[in-house]
Amino acid sequence: EVQVVESGGGLVQPGGSLRLSCAASGFPFSTSGMNWVRQAPGKGLEWVSYISGPSVTIYYADSVRGRFTISRDNAKNSLYLQMNSLRAEDTAVYYCARLWPVGGDYPFDHWGQGTLVTVSS
Amino acid sequence: EIVLTQSPATLSVSPGERATLSCRASQSVSSSLAWYLQKAGQAPRLLIYGASTRATGIPARFSGSGSGTEFTLTISSLQSEDFAVYYCQQYNNWPPWTFGQGTKVEIK
Repeated sequence: EVQVVESGGGLVQPGGSLRLSCAASGFPFSTSGMNWVRQAPGKGLEWVSYISGPSVTIYYADSVRGRFTISRDNAKNSLYLQMNSLRAEDTAVYYCARLWPVGGDYPFDHWGQGTLVTVSS
Repeated sequence: EIVLTQSPATLSVSPGERATLSCRASQSVSSSLAWYLQKAGQAPRLLIYGASTRATGIPARFSGSGSGTEFTLTISSLQSEDFAVYYCQQYNNWPPWTFGQGTKVEIK
């Protein structure tokens, strides 16, 4: 059974830092590209960051580049997002999602339930 | 960056009726488009990829069509569990992966 579980969210002041974690099981994590996707309260989905299986390829959305750092530990089947210099507009539920390469398509097939990050003074 | 525009923003449909949702891309994404369903308080769930292929376990009442810049998700006969928000996503030109703003399907 596939499981994806995020943790680490919480309330943080503007300018502060937070580290999110995502624990995955039930699929070949070490060879799977992984993403962070966020959803502000009452809003739509926004892709945040991607990391390839061996951590060779990393991408960031313009809105977080230079402030957020994605990483992974394949020995622990875990994905991370280090968030620094947080702003009010970073307030969102953060989801961990697998990129599924299937016959030339690359949808996101496995998602966690998300962890809420609130940036407020 | 490819912008996806979904319409309508809200669709009011009676149970058992047909629902048609649209997604338009600002430039061609070929068939590299997925649809997701999100119920309140839950994570998104993959419905359709490759514009028309149903994901594992998705009922046949969900169908996707289109290519290039115009895409449609059709739900042939709405069930109670289908009332939710639907998002399209393109993965033809990335990064970034982009999503539409969503269509809420509500009970009429």
